[in-house]
Amino acid sequence: QKEVEQDPGPLSVPEGAIVSLNCTYSNSAFQYFMWYRQYSRKGPELLMYTYSSGNKEDGRFTAQVDKSSKYISLFIRDSQPSDSATYLCARDNAGNMLTFGGGTRLMVKP
Amino acid sequence: ETGVTQSPTHLIKTRGQQVTLRCSSQSGHNTVSWYQQALGQGPQFIFQYYREEENGRGNFPPRFSGLQFPNYSSELNVNALELDDSALYLCASSLGTRGGNEQFFGPGTRLTVL
Repeated sequence: QKEVEQDPGPLSVPEGAIVSLNCTYSNSAFQYFMWYRQYSRKGPELLMYTYSSGNKEDGRFTAQVDKSSKYISLFIRDSQPSDSATYLCARDNAGNMLTFGGGTRLMVKP
Repeated sequence: ETGVTQSPTHLIKTRGQQVTLRCSSQSGHNTVSWYQQALGQGPQFIFQYYREEENGRGNFPPRFSGLQFPNYSSELNVNALELDDSALYLCASSLGTRGGNEQFFGPGTRLTVL
């Protein structure tokens, strides 16, 4: 079993839709979880990170961690074509060494 | 403040050759991590350097080695290249090794091994 798993997609939604991206992880010892966005031919950029459980909101983005079910979610409200990218979830081993999921490719159609 | 830069952008090598990839960290960052990203997959952690010392390593063989210099720039060296080494190699810099510190990624070097 991979430590962090994601549905690879692609996920195609119309502009303005609410997008839900999900990851599961296997090791409950870790506390830091991140979401990165990666455009084609670019390096990943940090969108959000959360510590332990709960929700964190930043503009149109909400990150959620449910430690009891080992589930990480990212919600994007009012999705835009510019949100089309690959979304990577990651956990931090507390030494700043990241384990990534395989990424979910999102396409937002105008 | 400049971002993370990597060179070269693209590289083509043949099996058995050796390659050196370079990374220039964001100003003031003393920690650099290297990742390998195969096509269609997420990045995989190779190793991390903190203040010129290897601070952690992922599941990669010893033919993957690195260096970090006093100015915090770094190199990734891969010996005896194999076809499966074809990937995008990403470096990421951060300030310190504490969990949750933001890592800033460079654009990557795309290595093709023929």
